[in-house]
Amino acid sequence: AQTVTQSQPEMSVQEAETVTLSCTYDTSENNYYLFWYKQPPSRQMILVIRQEAYKQQNATENRFSVNFQKAAKSFSLKISDSQLGDTAMYFCAFMKGGSQGNLIFGKGTKLSVKP
Amino acid sequence: EAGVAQSPRYKIIEKRQSVAFWCNPISGHATLYWYQQILGQGPKLLIQFQNNGVVDDSQLPKDRFSAERLKGVDSTLKIQPAKLEDSAVYLCASSPFLGPQETQYFGPGTRLLVL
Repeated sequence: AQTVTQSQPEMSVQEAETVTLSCTYDTSENNYYLFWYKQPPSRQMILVIRQEAYKQQNATENRFSVNFQKAAKSFSLKISDSQLGDTAMYFCAFMKGGSQGNLIFGKGTKLSVKP
Repeated sequence: EAGVAQSPRYKIIEKRQSVAFWCNPISGHATLYWYQQILGQGPKLLIQFQNNGVVDDSQLPKDRFSAERLKGVDSTLKIQPAKLEDSAVYLCASSPFLGPQETQYFGPGTRLLVL
């Protein structure tokens, strides 16, 4: 069975600074995808970034980037130039490749961006 | 484009009562998901539909939970009878098709409190 671990329950960062959220996972699969989802207070969960395990290049979406270390089974999220609107719960998630995989989430990291 | 709609947003019931939640996915999305998110944890998939067929319901407590997606559009999730441990946020999500390359779009959730 796959597991996803987020070891930082809470983090804080000053506005405009950079913060890194950690995630590790365990799987015996070779074909899989990793995700970071953001859940702002009282708002819908949205996809931040997706990484395909077979791709060497780390995914980037504007101020969000990942450090994917396949051998170490590590998938961290870096947020650059943090903004107040980045305050949210961040969930790391895993999905097997193929058409019928389902998302397996970690417990989340609560990020607070301070002015 | 309208997002995923859910109702009610909040529900308080007593244990052993029954409750139903409704979800309207994004128009044209073939795949619909129900997740349970207990406080302090990440969402856990309960059931996954492709059109009006069940793809995965392995984590649905079938002795008390049921779900249907008539005509492959709206879906309802029912709990009967409810237990204290069912207190959670129930999230509905939809995606155009199955698979990890399809982004799942989440609704605002229904917060259930069982007393």
